[in-house]
Amino acid sequence: DAKTTQPPSMDCAEGRAANLPCNHSTISGNEYVYWYRQIHSQGPQYIIHGLKNNETNEMASLIITEDRKSSTLILPHATLRDTAVYYCIVRVENYGQNFVFGPGTRLSVLP
Amino acid sequence: GAGVSQSPRYKVAKRGQDVALRCDPISGHVSLFWYQQALGQGPEFLTYFQNEAQLDKSGLPSDRFFAERPEGSVSTLKIQRTQQEDSAVYLCASSLAYRSYGYTFGSGTRLTVV
Repeated sequence: DAKTTQPPSMDCAEGRAANLPCNHSTISGNEYVYWYRQIHSQGPQYIIHGLKNNETNEMASLIITEDRKSSTLILPHATLRDTAVYYCIVRVENYGQNFVFGPGTRLSVLP
Repeated sequence: GAGVSQSPRYKVAKRGQDVALRCDPISGHVSLFWYQQALGQGPEFLTYFQNEAQLDKSGLPSDRFFAERPEGSVSTLKIQRTQQEDSAVYLCASSLAYRSYGYTFGSGTRLTVV
């Protein structure tokens, strides 16, 4: 079973920031927080991951609370192409370790 | 190629028919995963290869499912005597051995069993 909980759906206006929350209250000390997204009819796409520090890349920012029990993925300026299902996953960083996907959050970016 | 390639893109099978789904990972990628994604749900792990070795097959739902990667590159997922509950999208992902977060997924094969 997935070790994370996410809201099933969210809406965001185009051009505004999209803030997607994730709860992972049972996260272990060696588990990272990963975010993937899946656009319709495509495979999941890696977005970002982090352990305890906040992370930023060209796609998004990841804010992890100090107790690591929750995190937020931020898309700073959402576009229509960001409409997708977003998955938050906790996982040990080991290349042999599979990802356990939950149902994710369906983000709809509205014009 | 530039990405993970899966074929066929769509497959319709009659119940009881055997099917074979192909995955061409990114060249040089050591790790390869297969996932099954039912409609409206997240992907579920099926099996994992490191080169040609199948190190984890705990997610395979029954002995009708079989996967192989004989030369450590292309992988085939075979489903024997398909059932309607096998209808799903089958996703393949690959990664360099020591870049654990950089899994690249293919677009999947949508299998419909009628």
